[in-house]
Amino acid sequence: QKEVEQDPGPLSVPEGAIVSLNCTYSNSAFQYFMWYRQYSRKGPELLMYTYSSGNKEDGRFTAQVDKSSKYISLFIRDSQPSDSATYLCAISVGGAQKLVFGQGTRLTINP
Amino acid sequence: SAVISQKPSRDICQRGTSLTIQCQVDSQVTMMFWYRQQPGQSLTLIATANQGSEATYESGFVIDKFPISRPNLTFSTLTVSNMSPEDSSIYLCSVDSSSQETQYFGPGTRLLVL
Repeated sequence: QKEVEQDPGPLSVPEGAIVSLNCTYSNSAFQYFMWYRQYSRKGPELLMYTYSSGNKEDGRFTAQVDKSSKYISLFIRDSQPSDSATYLCAISVGGAQKLVFGQGTRLTINP
Repeated sequence: SAVISQKPSRDICQRGTSLTIQCQVDSQVTMMFWYRQQPGQSLTLIATANQGSEATYESGFVIDKFPISRPNLTFSTLTVSNMSPEDSSIYLCSVDSSSQETQYFGPGTRLLVL
């Protein structure tokens, strides 16, 4: 069983839709949860990170963590074509320590 | 966030040769990391580059194949030695944030081994 499971997609939605991206993990020792966005031929860009259960909002993006279910989500509101990218979840036991990445979900927003 | 640059951005190499990738950060950082991203795959940690001591390698990665240097708090190199086509990947450098709660990534080095 992988430590982090993420549906690779691809996921295609119309512009303006709400997008939901999800990961599950197996080890309850994981405490830090991150979402990265990676455009084609670029390095991963940190979108959000949190170390507690609950929601964290930043503009059109909301990260949600449910430690009891070992389930994390990223919601994108009012999705734009510029949001088309691969989204990677990453988790760690101790912040900037070893990150374990999900497989990444390829997202396309259609105009 | 830190500004991270990598050189070269891409290269095409012959099997059996070695390539050294450089990672430069615009500010001093505590931790630097090297990842590999194989085609269509996610990121896998190769090693943590420690300033003033040997790098710490993850399972499946060895120093003879991926020697790493970290001469100061803003610079590190990763060498991919005796390359084979299986080493064709994107190699990414990352650094810890000032709060040490997350990591920031460089743009990556795209390597193709023929």
